Amino acid sequence: KQEVTQIPAALSVPEGENLVLNCSFTDSAIYNLQWFRQDPGKGLTSLLLIQSSQREQTSGRLNASLDKSSGRSTLYIAASQPGDSATYLCAVGIYGNNRLAFGKGNQVVVIP
Amino acid sequence: EAGVAQSPRYKIIEKRQSVAFWCNPISGHATLYWYQQILGQGPKLLIQFQNNGVVDDSQLPKDRFSAERLKGVDSTLKIQPAKLEDSAVYLCASSLSGTGDYEQYFGPGTRLTVT
Repeated sequence: KQEVTQIPAALSVPEGENLVLNCSFTDSAIYNLQWFRQDPGKGLTSLLLIQSSQREQTSGRLNASLDKSSGRSTLYIAASQPGDSATYLCAVGIYGNNRLAFGKGNQVVVIP
Repeated sequence: EAGVAQSPRYKIIEKRQSVAFWCNPISGHATLYWYQQILGQGPKLLIQFQNNGVVDDSQLPKDRFSAERLKGVDSTLKIQPAKLEDSAVYLCASSLSGTGDYEQYFGPGTRLTVT
């Protein structure tokens, strides 16, 4: 059974600092890994999708890496802003039916 | 391109009542997923459809939950009777296919409160 872990559950950083969020998973048989953002009371916004054959993806201030063999991914947000305050969820697409297995999320607060 | 649509956005019911949620996926997407997200947790898959057939419903509490996807397009998820622990956000997602590396697109969710 695929287990996805995100630590820490919550963190606060001053504005301007770089954010580093970690995700680990137990089974390397995946199609892809996605990072999502979720604002309070809202749905999921996809940030980055990394296919299993890729090592990283970049979009603006966001960069995500994937090390499938070690079961790890890192989301890097450069020069954090108060608007980056949200919960960030990591999910892996399970090989076979591509259902997503999610971590519990990192709740981030960027302090102005 | 229109996204995944869900309704209602919010629902409050008493325990033992029934409730239904509706989802319309992105046009052309063969695979539809229903996830349950309890506060403080990541979403958990309840059921996955490929066209109008069920692919995975291993985590669906079948004594009270049911879902259908008639004609392989939109879908409804029903809870009857509801329990307090069913309070959650119910998310619908769709993708081009479930047998391969395809991105899932999520709707805004339905927030259910059972009192």
